[in-house]
Amino acid sequence: AAGVIQSPRHLIKEKRETATLKCYPIPRHDTVYWYQQGPGQDPQFLISFYEKMQSDKGSIPDRFSAQQFSDYHSELNMSSLELGDSALYFCASSSPPPGTGGYEQYFGPGTRLTVT
Amino acid sequence: DQQVKQNSPSLSVQEGRISILNCDYTNSMFDYFLWYKKYPAEGPTFLISISSIKDKNEDGRFTVFLNKSAKHLSLHIVPSQPGDSAVYFCAAHRVSPNNAGNMLTFGGGTRLMVKP
Repeated sequence: AAGVIQSPRHLIKEKRETATLKCYPIPRHDTVYWYQQGPGQDPQFLISFYEKMQSDKGSIPDRFSAQQFSDYHSELNMSSLELGDSALYFCASSSPPPGTGGYEQYFGPGTRLTVT
Repeated sequence: DQQVKQNSPSLSVQEGRISILNCDYTNSMFDYFLWYKKYPAEGPTFLISISSIKDKNEDGRFTVFLNKSAKHLSLHIVPSQPGDSAVYFCAAHRVSPNNAGNMLTFGGGTRLMVKP
């Protein structure tokens, strides 16, 4: 079965640079979530989108922005990168719409971002 | 304040025995609970879930129990197999106040080691 696809899998950037992470949800999933997992930590919710609209917002820094496109893929844009942004970034997708049950989220393999 | 807690960072079990992973939560607004399994360098894999209106859900070797009054849930794996060795995350769902979101809050994870 098709799973969530994330690209790139690994990314190395320098401080103050920008990065763009991409997420392609499972076919027919209309909701996308972004999580950040620091070393030795649990995944922390950043932001989610349903039908191309932001549906919920967690601990996402102002330097980060995200959007969902018409084909339901999502991009997380990160600017003015800091050393503390080094983490695993997971994308997850789900269906049906939020708030109506079926709350399982299916995760991609993650993008490991290293900021030097 | 961590709303979902897994107080045991690690658990070691003999192959064939039962593994019991525990999770406690504080927010009474959580209405759905999930368990994920995570291998290194991979995204969390959904295992099993339970609605807050139920007290038990079983799927093969995996059973999740929910005690709402104690705000406690547990994952039982029986019989445990060496391939079950991974980090297990408990996650809790709540609908955001405007009913537009669908975020998960994760516990800190428990590393399960199943010895042959």
